[in-house]
Amino acid sequence: DTGVSQDPRHKITKRGQNVTFRCDPISEHNRLYWYRQTLGQGPEFLTYFQNEAQLEKSRLLSDRFSAERPKGSFSTLEIQRTEQGDSAMYLCASSEGGSGYTFGSGTRLTVV
Amino acid sequence: QKEVEQDPGPLSVPEGAIVSLNCTYSNSAFQYFMWYRQYSRKGPELLMYTYSSGNKEDGRFTAQVDKSSKYISLFIRDSQPSDSATYLCAGNDGNTGFQKLVFGTGTRLLVSP
Repeated sequence: DTGVSQDPRHKITKRGQNVTFRCDPISEHNRLYWYRQTLGQGPEFLTYFQNEAQLEKSRLLSDRFSAERPKGSFSTLEIQRTEQGDSAMYLCASSEGGSGYTFGSGTRLTVV
Repeated sequence: QKEVEQDPGPLSVPEGAIVSLNCTYSNSAFQYFMWYRQYSRKGPELLMYTYSSGNKEDGRFTAQVDKSSKYISLFIRDSQPSDSATYLCAGNDGNTGFQKLVFGTGTRLLVSP
């Protein structure tokens, strides 16, 4: 297993378009997290899954954002009607139970 | 006020120096504390985690937590140019385990040969 995989690595989109990112966690990890990181800032929590259940969502996750984790394996994060303020690095992480997170390399979103 | 505060740096040191990186936090409920290292255009990598107050050592790295003063430190001995990165501290309230981490802004460290 090569760790947490995120795809694409970089996405450039026009304002108003929808985008979808994918995260493949470490296979035995039952917990999956999405964070957002803007330049010069630390990662900010967006949402958390335990297996396929989405258990917690930040208020940062507006109604334009939706995340899924069908079958408790990979996860997708969709942003509808993108805005320039959505430009950021979107990080996925996974963990097994209460162990420390392993982050992926992130998807860098640029909204033009 | 942010829950976790860090000086953004950059902190520049010569190779071989002892580095001290620090954070303060405001949430008294924090029980778990972590240090992550992040290279440019990469995801954060877990370096150390500690539970409650005390010290934890791993090779050249020592993490220290003082809950009475809400102060978190990471010491790097014999610093190397490969240690040049951004170091992020994070806390968690323990009631949710590792479900949600609150990060500082990160301190950029530059180790010159």
